[in-house]
Amino acid sequence: GENVEQHPSTLSVQEGDSAVIKCTYSDSASNYFPWYKQELGKGPQLIIDIRSNVGEKKDQRIAVTLNKTAKHFSLHITETQPEDSAVYFCAASNGRGAQKLVFGQGTRLTINP
Amino acid sequence: DSGVTQTPKHLITATGQRVTLRCSPRSGDLSVYWYQQSLDQGLQFLIQYYNGEERAKGNILERFSAQQFPDLHSELNLSSLELGDSALYFCASSVDAPTDTQYFGPGTRLTVL
Repeated sequence: GENVEQHPSTLSVQEGDSAVIKCTYSDSASNYFPWYKQELGKGPQLIIDIRSNVGEKKDQRIAVTLNKTAKHFSLHITETQPEDSAVYFCAASNGRGAQKLVFGQGTRLTINP
Repeated sequence: DSGVTQTPKHLITATGQRVTLRCSPRSGDLSVYWYQQSLDQGLQFLIQYYNGEERAKGNILERFSAQQFPDLHSELNLSSLELGDSALYFCASSVDAPTDTQYFGPGTRLTVL
């Protein structure tokens, strides 16, 4: 089955700097890669997603890149702000078979003012 | 607000007991997913229902069961509870397939004493 590895587990950056979180997946049939942000005491919230027919997607300060050959995808946050502090999860799915999202272990991002 | 509701928010019970967690999906969503989030296991997919029928199973214990009712709300039943079942339980919903965006509810925090 699918396995998703996420790095780093913790990340601390200065406000205004960029943050990058990386994930690798094992199932070459995976074709959907969402990123979720989870704040303390809340459920995961989708912030951006990418499908395997594109290599990059951007939404204001957030971008995701996908390399299908290498089976990895990354989240990039630019001009970080204190409210970006949260736990971020990547996930992968192929929409077939077990039809489930497989999540990475999460990255705790801390933005230092 | 994702539009997915979960009740109760918190649940404290004793080992050996049985509890029921409830989830109402977003309006128009036919698929409901249940996830367990514990400190050492991250977000683990438990089970998916689509329009009342079980569609996919993950690492769901035999002591756990779920169903989706005609009005599309879903219930997760946990029985013979053990200390290790203490976790956050999230419900998510999507229009249909897992490659559709999944929206998560606020979760139910279960504490087994």
